[in-house]
Amino acid sequence: AQKITQTQPGMFVQEKEAVTLDCTYDTSDPSYGLFWYKQPSSGEMIFLIYQGSYDQQNATEGRYSLNFQKARKSANLVISASQLGDSAMYFCAMSTDRGSTLGRLYFGRGTQLTVWP
Amino acid sequence: KAGVTQTPRYLIKTRGQQVTLSCSPISGHRSVSWYQQTPGQGLQFLFEYFSETQRNKGNFPGRFSGRQFSNSRSEMNVSTLELGDSALYLCASSLAGTSGRLSTGELFFGEGSRLTVL
Repeated sequence: AQKITQTQPGMFVQEKEAVTLDCTYDTSDPSYGLFWYKQPSSGEMIFLIYQGSYDQQNATEGRYSLNFQKARKSANLVISASQLGDSAMYFCAMSTDRGSTLGRLYFGRGTQLTVWP
Repeated sequence: KAGVTQTPRYLIKTRGQQVTLSCSPISGHRSVSWYQQTPGQGLQFLFEYFSETQRNKGNFPGRFSGRQFSNSRSEMNVSTLELGDSALYLCASSLAGTSGRLSTGELFFGEGSRLTVL
């Protein structure tokens, strides 16, 4: 079974500081992808970053980087130089190589990030 | 380029009624998937369509159904609504082709339809 675990229900960080949001996963599939999404109060899920299980380097997208530790089955999101607009719910998600499944993601329960001035 | 559009954004229904939600994917995207988000269960996969065919279905009762049209627009229907169906229903579209699985994060979500069942 596929499982995503986010152990931090809430995190607080001061503006301009870096913050790490934790994510661990469990799957028996050798090929999988890991995602992070941001969900502001409006409800839309905004794609942030992707890491493939065979990617050699950690993914980076602007202020976002994914700290991928395959042996530990962890895929932590690092946000550098936090901004007030980063306050939102953050979800870690996984897709696995299951044949015809194109758009099925398994989501964690999320971490509510609050950035304070 | 327009994003994923979901309508209606908000709706209120009573128990026993049915509801239809609509999703227009990003132009050129052929895969559409639906998710239910509740405080208690989190984000749960409902079903996925590709080229008008249901490719996968989550663990939901038969009251939940969907379809996809030739223009890739999708609808989901919930019949005989229950209080527990109150949720944010999110639609996502992908460019993913017939080769299979999602690869590089190109799964884009709409803002959702927030359903309240009274």
